[in-house]
Amino acid sequence: SAVISQKPSRDICQRGTSLTIQCQVDSQVTMMFWYRQQPGQSLTLIATANQGSEATYESGFVIDKFPISRPNLTFSTLTVSNMSPEDSSIYLCSVEDPGASSYNEQFFGPGTRLTVL
Amino acid sequence: EDQVTQSPEALRLQEGESSSLNCSYTVSGLRGLFWYRQDPGKGPEFLFTLYSAGEEKEKERLKATLTKKESFLHITAPKPEDSATYLCAVQRGFQKLVFGTGTRLLVSP
Repeated sequence: SAVISQKPSRDICQRGTSLTIQCQVDSQVTMMFWYRQQPGQSLTLIATANQGSEATYESGFVIDKFPISRPNLTFSTLTVSNMSPEDSSIYLCSVEDPGASSYNEQFFGPGTRLTVL
Repeated sequence: EDQVTQSPEALRLQEGESSSLNCSYTVSGLRGLFWYRQDPGKGPEFLFTLYSAGEEKEKERLKATLTKKESFLHITAPKPEDSATYLCAVQRGFQKLVFGTGTRLLVSP
């Protein structure tokens, strides 16, 4: 299965600032996803990032708040802009691994724990 | 709208006490049902994908089954290291995964 790393693993930020989270995969993948997991809640998809095209955002999430880059098939970034305490969450990158035994298995990175003061 | 409901929210077992976790779903055109394990402070760890009713998959002490309306994750003779949150998710077509809120499992020695 694909090995996914994220940077930073955690951060504490001041409100009004922005943080960029990096996601690196050890193999080329077509589809990458960004999820948010708020405290005590389950995962919610923010957007789907495909290389060579603009990210597709889910209802309730907008590009100005969560700009995403996907410069190649192994890397993506998610920026959380103009942060407020409500943005305190774990942000997770995932990929659909074409090399997996089943073609649509999704694997997750370790997450970035963000606290906004 | 696709919905996933997991029960119970929390489950406490004694070591060796077998039990089942439930995942009820509503989705048209199920592409797959996924089970993940999540430890505190970590990303979800993939366990199983089930594609059609009647399918079963096993991994160590875990066995996942699927019907047209729900999936069960059976845990046989659990150990303390099985303590985690177990997440269920469904995928319709080539769409996103829709997750349930999870079952927090605690296995006591």
